[in-house]
Amino acid sequence: QAGLTQPPSVSKDLRQTATLTCTGNSNNVGNQGAAWLQQHQGHPPKLLSDRKNKRPSGISERFSASRSGNTASLTITGLQVEDEADYYCSAWDSSLNVWVFGGGTKLTVL
Amino acid sequence: VQLVESGGGVVQPGKSLILSCAASGFTFSSYTMHWVRQAPGKGLEWVAVISYNGVFKYYADSMKGRFTISRDNSENTLYLQMNSLRAEDTAVYYCAREFSAFDIWGLGTMVTVSS
Repeated sequence: QAGLTQPPSVSKDLRQTATLTCTGNSNNVGNQGAAWLQQHQGHPPKLLSDRKNKRPSGISERFSASRSGNTASLTITGLQVEDEADYYCSAWDSSLNVWVFGGGTKLTVL
Repeated sequence: VQLVESGGGVVQPGKSLILSCAASGFTFSSYTMHWVRQAPGKGLEWVAVISYNGVFKYYADSMKGRFTISRDNSENTLYLQMNSLRAEDTAVYYCAREFSAFDIWGLGTMVTVSS
């Protein structure tokens, strides 16, 4: 089961904007949407945005998700030190009947 | 709202293990539930999903035939039966609730497969 494609790492300066990408295909991201999760070292993942690009209660407005075709994006504005974490995208594959994850992007805030 | 996994430990290759996930603070019987694992230093890997009523179950290819997901809605508990364990099954195993995505996660339970 091929996973979703994410860049392994992204580095941005404090207070800048980072855009993370996640590429799948028409059976997963393209027609099911992608969710985004944040994981700090030693902690379980936390949902930042669901498959409909909606933020759960308590998630900062600095996190926004979107999709164009088979690629989903997570934009983080006003980067803060605490945003340094691993970010994963995930989608339901309606053809394979499985959930797939991206390999994760490690975000470094300089 | 809480999920608490248990049952992890050290197990020899080829042996079996059963993981549990106790749910509280929400109507467990209304939600689809998942198991997701993470090998040391690696990314997240989806394991299996079970529908709210236990009727539908799907598995990742590498777990199909070896792992079985189940639930007891009367006990608010999710299970993962793992058979024929391999070294590559060594990971933290998380249970997660699905509400348009994985919205609630437990802290995970560590499974180490080693002789």
